Amino acid sequence: QSVLTQPPSVSAAPGQKVTISCSGSSSNIGNNYVSWYQQLPGTAPKLLIYDNNKRPSGIPDRFSGSKSGTAATLGITGLQTGDEADYYCGTWDSSLSAVVFGGGTKLTVL
Amino acid sequence: QVQLVQSGAEVKKPGASVKVSCKASGYTFTSYDINWVRQATGQGLEWMGWMNPNSGNTGYAQKFQGRVTMTRNTSISTAYMELSSLRSEDTAVYYCASLGGRGWYFDLWGRGTLVTVSS
Repeated sequence: QSVLTQPPSVSAAPGQKVTISCSGSSSNIGNNYVSWYQQLPGTAPKLLIYDNNKRPSGIPDRFSGSKSGTAATLGITGLQTGDEADYYCGTWDSSLSAVVFGGGTKLTVL
Repeated sequence: QVQLVQSGAEVKKPGASVKVSCKASGYTFTSYDINWVRQATGQGLEWMGWMNPNSGNTGYAQKFQGRVTMTRNTSISTAYMELSSLRSEDTAVYYCASLGGRGWYFDLWGRGTLVTVSS
């Protein structure tokens, strides 16, 4: 059971938009920055979003992040088949003194 | 280029220990914490702890306290993660990750080291 809650799967058609939610509590998302990672099959995670809504160099603006209260959201527009991957949210949990991740969301581009 | 290169796959028996290495290049090793994250097959990411390569200070997830040790050799820009008293549930890919910031994010990941615990 993960500390952060994500939907197990989401799907959308190519070109469409999808959002992935990440729910936590005041000890984690509510008072700390959220990051998002993309993990393609058989590869290491890749940072997509950090500090709630910032994109590292090289990440297209099709990817966006937001946070409100104890929940965060990853948005992906203009879906491509290459976006099919597992997506994870992560943050610091002040009560656990640990980095915590969501259980991951599998994105299918139909 | 900027990268973390991890040691190769390991097969260990229950009760043994494993030590995984992570060699940094392309950036100043002592400027960024090294974190370790593991992932069992088909499962999510699990954070194990962090180490400051400059001071050697560490912080471990409660689950691994007493079983994990993170060290470094600054002369060769290499971090190590040793996990002891291995059990089958420790079978996973172990990643080192770095180039983060105050927000506890990780912009650079190693390719992972598969550790298999089997009798």
